[in-house]
Parts: sequence; structure tokens; C-alpha cells
Amino acid sequence: GAVVSQHPSWVICKSGTSVKIECRSLDFQATTMFWYRQFPKQSLMLMATSNEGSKATYEQGVEKDKFLINHASLTLSTLTVTSAHPEDSSFYICSASPGGFVFNYGYTFGSGTRLTVV
Amino acid sequence: AQSVTQLDSQVPVFEEAPVELRCNYSSSVSVYLFWYVQYPNQGLQLLLKYLSGSTLVKGINGFEAEFNKSQTSFHLRKPSVHISDTAEYFCAVSDPGGGADGLTFGKGTHLIIQP
Repeated sequence: GAVVSQHPSWVICKSGTSVKIECRSLDFQATTMFWYRQFPKQSLMLMATSNEGSKATYEQGVEKDKFLINHASLTLSTLTVTSAHPEDSSFYICSASPGGFVFNYGYTFGSGTRLTVV
Repeated sequence: AQSVTQLDSQVPVFEEAPVELRCNYSSSVSVYLFWYVQYPNQGLQLLLKYLSGSTLVKGINGFEAEFNKSQTSFHLRKPSVHISDTAEYFCAVSDPGGGADGLTFGKGTHLIIQP
């Protein structure tokens, strides 16, 4: 149980275009989802916390107008990188947890999305 | 604020030898502690977690970790490694806020298994 699906697994886009990444909890409802960014050979940095039915909470230094997060249902959160530039190229990973997560599954991660902006 | 320090960025070990990956944390409150493994171009897989209770935690793939509150450490160990254990390992902490907070990760340790 506690499977998180992330799509697409990789995407190449032109500079100036927007890209949407989906994160779905397949067998549980997630009121909270998290979006992380990982640069090559570096750790994961929390970008934002996505809350179902309300605005996302962004970490300091993350541009909320650049990284739009929508959590419209208990099983789906989307991250849209708007007007992407080469410096936005990175590995993006989502994470979610069911209610009472800690005692069963911990945080479950998606398989990640490799974004390359050319 | 919480922070996690993984002292070794890279650990080379011969196959079938034991290994310890070190993790220290700092926090002003009690924390939950996690170890995750990441294979190239993949997401993270939970190895084990410490929430409360016994300080020795056993996880998947033969890994275990011991929580030491006085030393604020949560080192990961495996008595005999295999080539398939080659991966990036991340230690992480969470404020026990019932799932409302994200994780704070260490910088990771690349475990390299040599034949």
C-alpha cells in the first residue's frame, strides 16, 4: 500500500514554455503532498507543501509564481513550472502520506521527474 | 529549525564487508528519523524509520539503525553488503507533526560496493 505515482518521468521542453508534473496517491487519500527539488549529486530540498483545497505553502526562496502548485483533490497534486528556463532543469520529486502515515508507511515518494529545459 | 549532517559524502566498501553510514541531527524538539535509499534517476525508497520505543530499528534489505539521543545520531548499518546496495542513502528528520511537515534531508552518502 501507500503508492505514489509521478508523471512524466522525464520531459524536455523549450525555454519559455510551461511544464506540468502530476503526483497521484494511488491507494490512499493524501491531504498533504510535498514537492522537492534535487540538483545533480545533491540532496533533496523541500520546495512547497501542497494542501488539498487550499493554497500551497512555499519554502523561503521558492518563487510561487514560477512553481504553481494545485492540489484539487485528495489524490492529485500538480506542479507547473511556468516560463521554464535552463536553470529550472532539475529532478523534481513529490511525496505524500496517508492519515496516520508515520506509524505505517512514513512518507512515500514518487519516482521523480527529470526536467530538462533547452 | 532542524538540520541533518551526513558526515561522509562517499563510502567505498568491499562486497560482503560490514558498513556504517553516519547521520547526526540537530533539533530543538523531538523528531522522527528516517533513512531512504535512492537508485539512479529514481525516487526514494524507505529503508527504516524511528518514531519511538526501541532505539534499534530494523529495516528492509538487512539494514538497521540505532537511535542515540545523547549523541543525536541515527547511524545506518548493514553486516554484509552486496553489489546491489550501491546507491545514494539519505538520512532525514521530521517534526512529529502528524504528517503536516516535510522532511529535512542530509546531503546524502554514496555507498560504493567494490567486488
